[in-house]
Amino acid sequence: AQSVAQPEDQVNVAEGNPLTVKCTYSVSGNPYLFWYVQYPNRGLQFLLKYITGDNLVKGSYGFEAEFNKSQTSFHLKKPSALVSDSALYFCAVRDVSWGKLQFGAGTQVVVTP
Amino acid sequence: GAGVSQSPSNKVTEKGKDVELRCDPISGHTALYWYRQSLGQGLEFLIYFQGNSAPDKSGLPSDRFSAERTGGSVSTLTIQRTQQEDSAVYLCASSSPRASGGRGETQYFGPGTRLLVL
Repeated sequence: AQSVAQPEDQVNVAEGNPLTVKCTYSVSGNPYLFWYVQYPNRGLQFLLKYITGDNLVKGSYGFEAEFNKSQTSFHLKKPSALVSDSALYFCAVRDVSWGKLQFGAGTQVVVTP
Repeated sequence: GAGVSQSPSNKVTEKGKDVELRCDPISGHTALYWYRQSLGQGLEFLIYFQGNSAPDKSGLPSDRFSAERTGGSVSTLTIQRTQQEDSAVYLCASSSPRASGGRGETQYFGPGTRLLVL
């Protein structure tokens, strides 16, 4: 069975500071890993994904994530957070043999001016 | 270009009534997914359609839930005899497995239908 954990319900960061949102996963075989962001009353917007290759993945809006196989982690990072980055962030994993995504519980990011 | 669209955006119904939720996927996407987002359960997979293959219904919570996909495009999620615990946001997503050789293609989500059962 596949699973995803986002250990932090909320992350608070001051604007201009680095932002990290943590994600760990469990899946048999090689994982496909995704980050999505959700703004209030909106659907999920795709940020980035890891399929294979370089462990550092760059995505939309200046976000990046690092795949760490030994630690089974896929943390989302942004060097300098903006107030507009305040939203709900979801990590998701897909097993190679399944179509569905398994989502973490989500992490609320609050960026203060 | 056009993304995934869902209708209605909001639906209020009375307990025991049937509801139908509609999803229009991105044109050309052969895979379509339904998920449910609720406060207590987070984001849950419901059902997955891929081309002409039999759908993966493993996430449907009860036999009151069903979905169909006509002509490989539009999908309808039907909830019969709605219960208050069905209140949630129902999200639809589509993807194109062919675009990535069937490996890790991105799912694109619609805005969701917010269902409230009174």
